[in-house]
Amino acid sequence: ETGVTQSPTHLIKTRGQQVTLRCSSQSGHNTVSWYQQALGQGPQFIFQYYREEENGRGNFPPRFSGLQFPNYSSELNVNALELDDSALYLCASSPRTGNTEAFFGQGTRLTVV
Amino acid sequence: KQEVTQIPAALSVPEGENLVLNCSFTDSAIYNLQWFRQDPGKGLTSLLLIQSSQREQTSGRLNASLDKSSGRSTLYIAASQPGDSATYLCAPQANQAGTALIFGKGTTLSVSS
Repeated sequence: ETGVTQSPTHLIKTRGQQVTLRCSSQSGHNTVSWYQQALGQGPQFIFQYYREEENGRGNFPPRFSGLQFPNYSSELNVNALELDDSALYLCASSPRTGNTEAFFGQGTRLTVV
Repeated sequence: KQEVTQIPAALSVPEGENLVLNCSFTDSAIYNLQWFRQDPGKGLTSLLLIQSSQREQTSGRLNASLDKSSGRSTLYIAASQPGDSATYLCAPQANQAGTALIFGKGTTLSVSS
């Protein structure tokens, strides 16, 4: 059974550019959530996808968007990058939405310069 | 709005000590609470999931308790080892589809040999 995998592990982008981060959920999991973790802070919820539909969103602007594919893998897209978007982006998968254990990937470190 | 506080923010102990990490949350209407470990720059590793009906969960040297009515959870680590050095995060979750884990800033533990 493979765990949650994220790609890439690190990347550097310039302010104003767009970025796509990818996440493969754990086998059998149909729910994927994305979190942003700034240095020294706890993770902040961006949004959740369940069976290819967004079914929950945190306090993030619309330039943060996502997709979930039929195999339940997911993408996080961020447009018009700002310096404050520099953070560790974490993906978590769960066997279902709601009250269930979440399993996290190793994260993608995004640096915006 | 759920808020999570973890005390202490940092803790340094010699190897072999038993220790307690505290987590408090403001909204007691949760269904479960999950404890995670995070090594520097890495993703989150799930340690324990406590359902509200269970009140307590054990895994090896780790024991976590949950008191919903008082909005508190504790993580007990027995016979600490240098390999336990990491940041520990607690995250309550509401019983509702599309809801997120809400994190505090964590407790950073350093165990010296």
